[in-house]
Amino acid sequence: DAGVIQSPRHEVTEMGQEVTLRCKPISGHDYLFWYRQTMMRGLELLIYFNNNVPIDDSGMPEDRFSAKMPNASFSTLKIQPSEPRDSAVYFCASMASGESEQFFGPGTRLTVL
Amino acid sequence: AQSVTQPDIHITVSEGASLELRCNYSYGATPYLFWYVQSPGQGLQLLLKYFSGDTLVQGIKGFEAEFKRSQSSFNLRKPSVHWSDAAEYFCAVGALQTGANNLFFGTGTRLTVIP
Repeated sequence: DAGVIQSPRHEVTEMGQEVTLRCKPISGHDYLFWYRQTMMRGLELLIYFNNNVPIDDSGMPEDRFSAKMPNASFSTLKIQPSEPRDSAVYFCASMASGESEQFFGPGTRLTVL
Repeated sequence: AQSVTQPDIHITVSEGASLELRCNYSYGATPYLFWYVQSPGQGLQLLLKYFSGDTLVQGIKGFEAEFKRSQSSFNLRKPSVHWSDAAEYFCAVGALQTGANNLFFGTGTRLTVIP
C-alpha cells in the first residue's frame, strides 16, 4: 500500500488566496483526520470523518476553513481566504474501524505570505 | 479535560547513551497512550501504544514505554540511542469510543543525538 497520500507537499500563496489541500487515505480505512502543526500550538486536530461523514469539526479554527470528503478515497481541506497565520504543516491521517493506529501522510507545508 | 504534557522541549544525548522522554497525561477515562516519532519532513510514525495489560510495552526501533497510572505518566525509553533516532517525539492520549478515536498530542520533544 502507498500509505496516506497528500498533495501538494509544499504550497506558497499570498494572503487572500484560496488554498486547497488534498488527501487520499489508505484503502479500506474509514476514518480520516486532518491535523495542523505549528510551533506555537503543536499538533491540533481540525476535523475528522467516519465513512465520509464529518464527526467532529470543533477544531476547525474559523469559517475560512472547510473540509469535505466526497468519497472514501479523497478529502480536501480548503482555506478561503488564506491568512499568514494559517502558515503551518497540515497532516492527513487515516485509520481502520476497530483499530487504534492512525497512519499519517507526509504533510503539506503551507506558507501564506 | 484531556491534555498531554511533555515537559522537555529539547533533549540532547550522546550516541550509545540511554534515553528517557517524559510524558504526563490528564484524561477522564481509562486512557489509551501512544508514542509517535516524526523525522524531519516526514509524517508521524507510531512507535508503540498501550491499551491495557502489561504496563511495560515494547515498540519498534528498540523503544519501550512504561505506563504508571499512579503518576499519570507514560515515559519512553531506549537503552542505547542511535544517531538515526534524532527526531521529534510525540506522546498522545485517546480513548477508543464508539465510532470515534480522538487523539490529543503533546507538544513534542526534539531529540538531538551527538557523536
